[in-house]
Amino acid sequence: AQKVTQAQTEISVVEKEDVTLDCVYETRDTTYYLFWYKQPPSGELVFLIRRNSFDEQNEISGRYSWNFQKSTSSFNFTITASQVVDSAVYFCALSEAPYSGTYKYIFGTGTRLKVLA
Amino acid sequence: NAGVTQTPKFQVLKTGQSMTLQCAQDMNHEYMSWYRQDPGMGLRLIHYSVGAGITDQGEVPNGYNVSRSTTEDFPLRLLSAAPSQTSVYFCASSYSLGSPSYEQYFGPGTRLTVT
Repeated sequence: AQKVTQAQTEISVVEKEDVTLDCVYETRDTTYYLFWYKQPPSGELVFLIRRNSFDEQNEISGRYSWNFQKSTSSFNFTITASQVVDSAVYFCALSEAPYSGTYKYIFGTGTRLKVLA
Repeated sequence: NAGVTQTPKFQVLKTGQSMTLQCAQDMNHEYMSWYRQDPGMGLRLIHYSVGAGITDQGEVPNGYNVSRSTTEDFPLRLLSAAPSQTSVYFCASSYSLGSPSYEQYFGPGTRLTVT
């Protein structure tokens, strides 16, 4: 069955430190998709990145980078030189491409990141 | 585009009351879903739909009903509210084309309290 584990419940860092948020997933399918979302204190959910199971290239977007490793079923998220505005809850999610035509997105429990000034 | 809209933003119910949380999207997305968010539990899928007339259960469907008569609307009905249903509810939508490869767009959420 699908499962997403974010073992880090809460992380606190001082501004300008680098921080990595871990995401480990379980799936039986060979075709699947991974996502990261950000939920700032205001409460909305914001999409950050999508990755399919056939693309293991790491991605960098400004201070954000993502490391996808199929061998360890992990899709980790690193923020470089963290800023107070990065304080939020971050969710990792997984979806599979079934043959039945119906599918679900499964979310991890989230990691609360606190960046202290 | 308004994106995904949810009403109401806040609601207080008494145990046993019923109500409908409204969700609408104007992006012509086939896929829509409802989640509840509780402290320490992340986002848990209640029900989802891959198109008009097609719905299915998620992880925590008990006590909730859904229907999808149009592409735009996906209401969530609480049949007989219980304190355990106190939560923040999010509606989301995404492109589908038969594939779960697209990101979801989320509504602003409904904070529900059942006393």
